[in-house]
Amino acid sequence: AIQLTQSPSSLSASVGDRVTITCRASQGIRSDIAWYQQKAGRAPRLLIYDASSLQSGVPSRFSGSGSGTDFTLTISSLQPEDFATYYCQQFKSYPWTFGQGTKVEIK
Amino acid sequence: EVQLVESGGGLVQPGGSLRLSCAASGFTFSNYWMSWVRQAPGKGLEWVANIKQDGSEKYYVDSVKGRFTISRDNAKNSLYLQMNSLRAEDTAVYYCARPYCIGGACYNFDYWGQGTLVTVSS
Repeated sequence: AIQLTQSPSSLSASVGDRVTITCRASQGIRSDIAWYQQKAGRAPRLLIYDASSLQSGVPSRFSGSGSGTDFTLTISSLQPEDFATYYCQQFKSYPWTFGQGTKVEIK
Repeated sequence: EVQLVESGGGLVQPGGSLRLSCAASGFTFSNYWMSWVRQAPGKGLEWVANIKQDGSEKYYVDSVKGRFTISRDNAKNSLYLQMNSLRAEDTAVYYCARPYCIGGACYNFDYWGQGTLVTVSS
């Protein structure tokens, strides 16, 4: 199975900060990766797909990049509603796998 | 508006069985692959199973193979997960999710249900 390792596991940041989360795959997955945001008690919400495509309705401060094994999710200017846990997921091959998550907390 | 509504969760003893359902609306259910994804309390997300539009292909994570069965009824716009031989480690919120797939490739889960909690405990 393809393993996805996110870093950091958690981070503290302030409103307005630029935040970058990394996802590393154990083998090449082209650009077959998506990013989700999950708030406590809620279902995940799709942010980015195909490594860099912004899902409709998602604010443009969210962006994704990367291909092969290394991917990043960037929030250009953190907003109060962005404090949540973020997950990457690969669709390259079964079993589809998720990263362990990155919790973004208020500093 | 796309809606996915899960039901059927609850408390079950180890070794027991449970059947989850997901009622879909707002889209042509028979045109889409469908999935189950779970999340143990305080843990991350885990993909569980997929089923093709006509039910002819099914895929499972290794930890549930031989115990869980995914199925669908396109006439009823419903997705199911039959869970047998349940273990404590199956305790989780189970989400019904719609993968967006085109031409044999899938790109994301674009819609999720609210989840249903399954607790396996004596």
